[in-house]
Amino acid sequence: DAGVTQSPTHLIKTRGQQVTLRCSPKSGHDTVSWYQQALGQGPQFIFQYYEEEERQRGNFPDRFSGHQFPNYSSELNVNALLLGDSALYLCASSLQSQTQYFGPGTRLLVL
Amino acid sequence: QKEVEQDPGPLSVPEGAIVSLNCTYSNSAFQYFMWYRQYSRKGPELLMYTYSSGNKEDGRFTAQVDKSSKYISLFIRDSQPSDSATYLCAIGMKTSYDKVIFGPGTSLSVIP
Repeated sequence: DAGVTQSPTHLIKTRGQQVTLRCSPKSGHDTVSWYQQALGQGPQFIFQYYEEEERQRGNFPDRFSGHQFPNYSSELNVNALLLGDSALYLCASSLQSQTQYFGPGTRLLVL
Repeated sequence: QKEVEQDPGPLSVPEGAIVSLNCTYSNSAFQYFMWYRQYSRKGPELLMYTYSSGNKEDGRFTAQVDKSSKYISLFIRDSQPSDSATYLCAIGMKTSYDKVIFGPGTSLSVIP
């Protein structure tokens, strides 16, 4: 049974560019949450998707947007990248309100 | 006041020692409590999940929750070098979505 997968594993972008990160949830899971983890910090909640709708959003600007597809996979898009967006981006999946399981993350570096 | 506070360490112990990791939280509305282990450059891995006050044991790991004091702990017995990682406490509540707040993590090194 494949766990949560994310792609790409690493990414380097320059300021002002746009990036799309992808997540496939664990088999049987229908809810995807995205987190940003800066170096030395705990994960910070960005938003959660369920039934292809954004169910809740954390304290992140509109430059951060997402999407969930009918097969429950999800994308995170970040526009107009800033240096401060450099972080590990984590996807977590769950079955409705059950425990969240994390993927390995995508490490984004903005130069 | 931050919702979850955790001593960031780093914590260094000899192999075989008992490790105690702790978190405090401020909002008594949180209903469930978790500990995640995160190796360098990897995603967090769920270690323990509990709803109630008291102890929950899984192998060498024991999670302890005291809701009255808003205090959670993770104990690691017979620590091994492979336990060297960052340990994240997390607290959650079920609202219109699963609100989960993470502590900043404690970095642990177990020295052979």
